[in-house]
Amino acid sequence: GEDVEQSLFLSVREGDSSVINCTYTDSSSTYLYWYKQEPGAGLQLLTYIFSNMDMKQDQRLTVLLNKKDKHLSLRIADTQTGDSAIYFCAKTGGKLIFGQGTELSVKP
Amino acid sequence: DTGVSQDPRHKITKRGQNVTFRCDPISEHNRLYWYRQTLGQGPEFLTYFQNEAQLEKSRLLSDRFSAERPKGSFSTLEIQRTEQGDSAMYLCASSSPERGPTNEKLFFGSGTQLSVL
Repeated sequence: GEDVEQSLFLSVREGDSSVINCTYTDSSSTYLYWYKQEPGAGLQLLTYIFSNMDMKQDQRLTVLLNKKDKHLSLRIADTQTGDSAIYFCAKTGGKLIFGQGTELSVKP
Repeated sequence: DTGVSQDPRHKITKRGQNVTFRCDPISEHNRLYWYRQTLGQGPEFLTYFQNEAQLEKSRLLSDRFSAERPKGSFSTLEIQRTEQGDSAMYLCASSSPERGPTNEKLFFGSGTQLSVL
């Protein structure tokens, strides 16, 4: 997607933490989002963060926002095999603009 | 389940044919979006409606593409004279903005996979 970038792949072992990173160029978004896409399915909203916040925690998910560096991350604690999917960060701009997705592979 | 539904799930067509996809959003959502996703890429915005008004169209949406939402409920996306480059997953999403227009929590359907031979 335009001006939203993610690394393409991440592989972790079950039980470890996963950290998925995203950078963006336009800092005007009020909200930033993380979506999850499982094979053959549409996107599912995982969590979002208001741009005035630095951190948001939601059960096993922690979102960190560094507005100065335009860097967003999603940490998944105690990663499970069911977390294997593609994760997209997205920013608002009248409509959502998505990164190209990070494929998370969780090995047992 | 009253999520976003799309029909058909899969469509195979020959180059040059016209195809039409349908999306039924979550019933109380006033915004409806169409995105296109190709393998290994994130969804790319095509167009969106607020109620029946089409408010924005991407430059990706060539004149062969047309979208409608005549009564502000379901929407259709038509592609005329399909080309092989149109092969993609077409995703529909809907939302009902909270706290003003900037919090766009989109709910996606499962998509229509188009293959143009």
